[in-house]
Amino acid sequence: DTEVTQTPKHLVMGMTNKKSLKCEQHMGHRAMYWYKQKAKKPPELMFVYSYEKLSINESVPSRFSPECPNSSLLNLHLHALQPEDSALYLCASSQRGGLHNEQFFGPGTRLTVL
Amino acid sequence: DQQVKQNSPSLSVQEGRISILNCDYTNSMFDYFLWYKKYPAEGPTFLISISSIKDKNEDGRFTVFLNKSAKHLSLHIVPSQPGDSAVYFCAASGEAGGTSYGKLTFGQGTILTVHP
Repeated sequence: DTEVTQTPKHLVMGMTNKKSLKCEQHMGHRAMYWYKQKAKKPPELMFVYSYEKLSINESVPSRFSPECPNSSLLNLHLHALQPEDSALYLCASSQRGGLHNEQFFGPGTRLTVL
Repeated sequence: DQQVKQNSPSLSVQEGRISILNCDYTNSMFDYFLWYKKYPAEGPTFLISISSIKDKNEDGRFTVFLNKSAKHLSLHIVPSQPGDSAVYFCAASGEAGGTSYGKLTFGQGTILTVHP
């Protein structure tokens, strides 16, 4: 299994809703990442987990809450989002954290906040 | 401050010819570079990478060249095929900004169109 899967594919939520994005990989990778991508822009890093511990938080607002229950799973909990948070949310994994590791991306969750 | 730049928003090439995609970076702390391809509604797909200790890396039809003194890298695709039509992102990692651990900084992307 050489892929990163993400669910759901699309999500529409109101500003008062609580929802979660899920990411899974079975490649034995020990680093997992959340990125946000707006239209016609490059992906922007949000969080990095390495060996199930949060190692980078790129000053992301607290309405985004990541969780890494085990080495294969990564969640992003969403609460009280704003319309400007609408974007493609990408999960990625790499063999380990650190500088020289190729990151493999999932297909993304297209999030719309109304 | 854009640390990784792809100055050509788009490139159009005939099938069978060479596609050359360019990328410039400003931070000399970057020491590992990657190219990704992205189709609409999909996540980026890793293509090829190069470490700063090399100036060339080849994988099938894809070759990446790195010129450290010019802070410039390029991706060559030979021969180009219509299925190569996608957005291409270059990305860099390294101890830039003090956050070394797993952070990729992406360029803005170049839309490649390969005409049959």
